[in-house]
Amino acid sequence: DQQVKQNSPSLSVQEGRISILNCDYTNSMFDYFLWYKKYPAEGPTFLISISSIKDKNEDGRFTVFLNKSAKHLSLHIVPSQPGDSAVYFCAVLSGNTPLVFGKGTRLSVIA
Amino acid sequence: GAGVSQSPSNKVTEKGKDVELRCDPISGHTALYWYRQSLGQGLEFLIYFQGNSAPDKSGLPSDRFSAERTGGSVSTLTIQRTQQEDSAVYLCASSLGGDYRLGGYTFGSGTRLTVV
Repeated sequence: DQQVKQNSPSLSVQEGRISILNCDYTNSMFDYFLWYKKYPAEGPTFLISISSIKDKNEDGRFTVFLNKSAKHLSLHIVPSQPGDSAVYFCAVLSGNTPLVFGKGTRLSVIA
Repeated sequence: GAGVSQSPSNKVTEKGKDVELRCDPISGHTALYWYRQSLGQGLEFLIYFQGNSAPDKSGLPSDRFSAERTGGSVSTLTIQRTQQEDSAVYLCASSLGGDYRLGGYTFGSGTRLTVV
């Protein structure tokens, strides 16, 4: 049973507009949440994170929102750029256990 | 080295053969992880090494899969009697310690395994 769900396998957005990527998780014990970005033929790279004591974390064009009651996480990218085109993975953590990843959402930013 | 190095980058093997995939973590990183990404799937956890502790093998999909980490550094993932469903990108990551918050994971570029 999937602990982390990214229900949209793909998303297309026009350059300059907002990209919103969503993630749902099942276990309320998860206490740290992350987004990773992956380009083809490269390993995933860390993008942004948030701990369970916060509901928002912002880093430049990237903002992560956490809704603990809904067990929902989202990543907002604004404005979207063609270089943002990649696969985005949501990941969750509890204590010292290895990261648990979702299936990813492929974002295409169209110029 | 500066990053996590994996070799080979690509491997094509015949069904039933054994394969070994290698990972060189960042120097000084005590934790090492193996994940795999099958077509259309997310990153699936396989095994985790932390220092001298017994590895967490809870993600290994079958007893054909094994991994070792020698001297707390280089790790080798071995798949015996490969099957077509083993085709995937195998990713290795290392981190400073077992607690992600100490420094996060650095991933290698992966080994793309194709079983024909």
